Order: sequence, then C-alpha cells, then structure tokens
Amino acid sequence: DGGITQSPKYLFRKEGQNVTLSCEQNLNHDAMYWYRQDPGQGLRLIYYSQIVNDFQKGDIAEGYSVSREKKESFPLTVTSAQKNPTAFYLCASSAGTLNTEAFFGQGTRLTVV
Amino acid sequence: QKEVEQDPGPLSVPEGAIVSLNCTYSNSAFQYFMWYRQYSRKGPELLMYTYSSGNKEDGRFTAQVDKSSKYISLFIRDSQPSDSATYLCAMTWTGGFKTIFGAGTRLFVKA
Repeated sequence: DGGITQSPKYLFRKEGQNVTLSCEQNLNHDAMYWYRQDPGQGLRLIYYSQIVNDFQKGDIAEGYSVSREKKESFPLTVTSAQKNPTAFYLCASSAGTLNTEAFFGQGTRLTVV
Repeated sequence: QKEVEQDPGPLSVPEGAIVSLNCTYSNSAFQYFMWYRQYSRKGPELLMYTYSSGNKEDGRFTAQVDKSSKYISLFIRDSQPSDSATYLCAMTWTGGFKTIFGAGTRLFVKA
C-alpha cells in the first residue's frame, strides 16, 4: 500500500536531549513537509522540501533540523534548543508544486519528561 | 488576527442532521480551499478541495467558497456517528508552497 509512515508513534524525550522523528513515503512525491499540531491551534509548518537535497524553513523552524538525502525520507530532529517540544508532529507529502492534496502520516506524539 | 479563523467547537448534533462547518480568512490571495478530516490521534485526510468561488459536491459533502466574503463552508448531509472527527479547513494560493490551516472544529454526531 502506498502511503506515509511515521515512527515512532509515541516518543519521550528528556530535557536536553535531541530526538529524531522518522518519515518515509512510497508515493513517489517530490514535496515533503513537517507540521506541528498543538491543542486549539492549526497545523504549523516547521520545514518543507520540494526536492532531494533541498529544504526550506517554515514558520516555526527554530529548534528543529531536517535532511532530505533521499526522495522517500524526510527525518526531523528536535534539538535541545526547542524550548517547548511537547506536541503532535505530522509529516506530509504532495505530488506537485501546488499543495492542494497533502497526504499525511499518522503522527508522532512527542512528550518531554 | 489569524489568517484563518475556525470555531473550535465542539459541535454536537444528532445522527441524520445537516452539519455546517465554516472558516473565515483574511488573505485575498488564497485561491485553493481544502477540507481535511482528522480522527483522534490520527493524521488528517483530504475530503475535498475547491478552486476559487463556487460549490463542489462529493456524496454527502458539499464545499462552498464565497471569496467576496472570505468565507468557506463544508456541509455534511445525513450525518453519521462515523463523521465524528475534527474538521480542518486549509487554503493556499497559486505558486504557494505553504498551506495555512484553521485550528479545526471538533464534531460529535450522536447515534
């Protein structure tokens, strides 16, 4: 089945640790995105990538980093510089440059303990 | 002021009711308008999208866009308990790689 796989589903991080969230897609999509979802707020864009080896900051990139070494993969690292990382993280992909149909993964819930 | 405003609800209706979900926006450059459905602890899935003003129907779902009022709606006819979810509006513009999402409206359909 084609789709986007995020792992892990739940992740716990200690203060000061970096953690990496995985996102893999087999839809052959060029564009991939990372969003953060907090209660009562819309999805906020962290980073996006239109093509392999290229990515751009979104609205809330501080404290996060990404890489896009392969078309299928777009991992997100939440660094210790992110002051409030507890949230639901969603990865998405879309086929073209017009993002009218994004396919989302099932999300990773990150909790700082 | 947020670019996209959406009442978070919750909205509770009996099974079979017609549901109206709405968003307002401030950026007149938006041309593409999407509705996503998100079940609890899952990723959103696209229900439908429309371009510019007008209506679009897909089964029990109808999307309406009124660009003059900067107002979009999603109607659900004959609502079912399985429609209970959070509905997110989203919008973007031609050449825009960024999509702006509303906060989502939680809908409960009671059997």
